[in-house]
Amino acid sequence: KNEVEQSPQNLTAQEGEFITINCSYSVGISALHWLQQHPGGGIVSLFMLSSGKKKHGRLIATINIQEKHSSLHITASHPRDSAVYICAVPNTGNQFYFGTGTSLTVIP
Amino acid sequence: ETGVTQTPRHLVMGMTNKKSLKCEQHLGHNAMYWYKQSAKKPLELMFVYNFKEQTENNSVPSRFSPECPNSSHLFLHLHTLQPEDSALYLCASSQRGRGAYEQYFGPGTRLTVT
Repeated sequence: KNEVEQSPQNLTAQEGEFITINCSYSVGISALHWLQQHPGGGIVSLFMLSSGKKKHGRLIATINIQEKHSSLHITASHPRDSAVYICAVPNTGNQFYFGTGTSLTVIP
Repeated sequence: ETGVTQTPRHLVMGMTNKKSLKCEQHLGHNAMYWYKQSAKKPLELMFVYNFKEQTENNSVPSRFSPECPNSSHLFLHLHTLQPEDSALYLCASSQRGRGAYEQYFGPGTRLTVT
């Protein structure tokens, strides 16, 4: 069993749709990271959060520490949002656990 | 542009070759990381350096040898690799070597072992 489970694995949406990607984890954490990876490999950190909710533009990330669950929401999705979204959970040491990623395709 | 550069971007090497991957960060960070990303698998943390000291080595085979001469530079020396080592190798840096700090990733080196 993976320490980090993401769902769905693949997601196709029409432009403008509201998108939710989920992440569940089983380890104790100091913070949870949401990463975005575009074709070609480059990874960008979107959010790092340890409680509550964060918003950046059309992206919103929430976390429920008690339930060990986080969600990434994209409002008014756009084709340029097409990427792989990865949930990363560091434990209280130096170890990081990564989800397998959610591949999002937004169709015009 | 994340402030983390990696060279080369692509590398093809035979199993008997010796090569090195280079990573440089211009962010004033004190921690640097090597990750491996194989097709259809999650990112795998390989090594962590915090203030030039190696603080994590996730059972990586000795054919991968990291070097961190200072907080801005990180190398991954490769020798006698296997075809299953073909993957995207990503470097990252953060202010400190703990998970509560945001990581900045380089563009990666796409390695093919023939």
